[in-house]
Amino acid sequence: DTEVTQTPKHLVMGMTNKKSLKCEQHMGHRAMYWYKQKAKKPPELMFVYSYEKLSINESVPSRFSPECPNSSLLNLHLHALQPEDSALYLCASSQDGGGSYGYTFGSGTRLTVV
Amino acid sequence: GQNIDQPTEMTATEGAIVQINCTYQTSGFNGLFWYQQHAGEAPTFLSYNVLDGLEEKGRFSSFLSRSKGYSYLLLKELQMKDSASYLCAVRDTIYKLIFGTGTLLAVQP
Repeated sequence: DTEVTQTPKHLVMGMTNKKSLKCEQHMGHRAMYWYKQKAKKPPELMFVYSYEKLSINESVPSRFSPECPNSSLLNLHLHALQPEDSALYLCASSQDGGGSYGYTFGSGTRLTVV
Repeated sequence: GQNIDQPTEMTATEGAIVQINCTYQTSGFNGLFWYQQHAGEAPTFLSYNVLDGLEEKGRFSSFLSRSKGYSYLLLKELQMKDSASYLCAVRDTIYKLIFGTGTLLAVQP
């Protein structure tokens, strides 16, 4: 299995809702990442988990809460989001820092906050 | 700060060669990657450079000059399916990959 699977593919939520994004990989990768991508912009790093521990938080607002329950699974819990948080949320994984192969990305969750 | 710059848009003709440039200034350097991203899809890995010089992979080649903070991606024998965004990304620490501004390439018949 050489894929990163993200669910759901699309999500519409209100500003008072609580929802979660899910990311799964079975490649034995020990680093997992959340990126946010606005339209026609490059991906921006949000969080990095290394060996199931949060190693980088790029000053992301607390309405985004990451969780890594095990080495294959990464969640992003969403609460009280704003319309400007609407974006494509990409999950990625890598073997340690990625070596010469970089990261494997999932196809993303397109989030719309109304 | 971190700056990774690319041209915003480029247009090229099917069958031709196109060079996409990337200049960077980052706090650290542990390799440079090129990714291709079709609209609404995930970025896919194209190439990796960590030492100066040219790396060739089929129709794609990538060049790096660390002293100049410069890289380019060369695409040969362009095909319509090559129309996509091309992202330059620098790994500044072992776990931190920072993307450039991205170049939208349009291949015309």
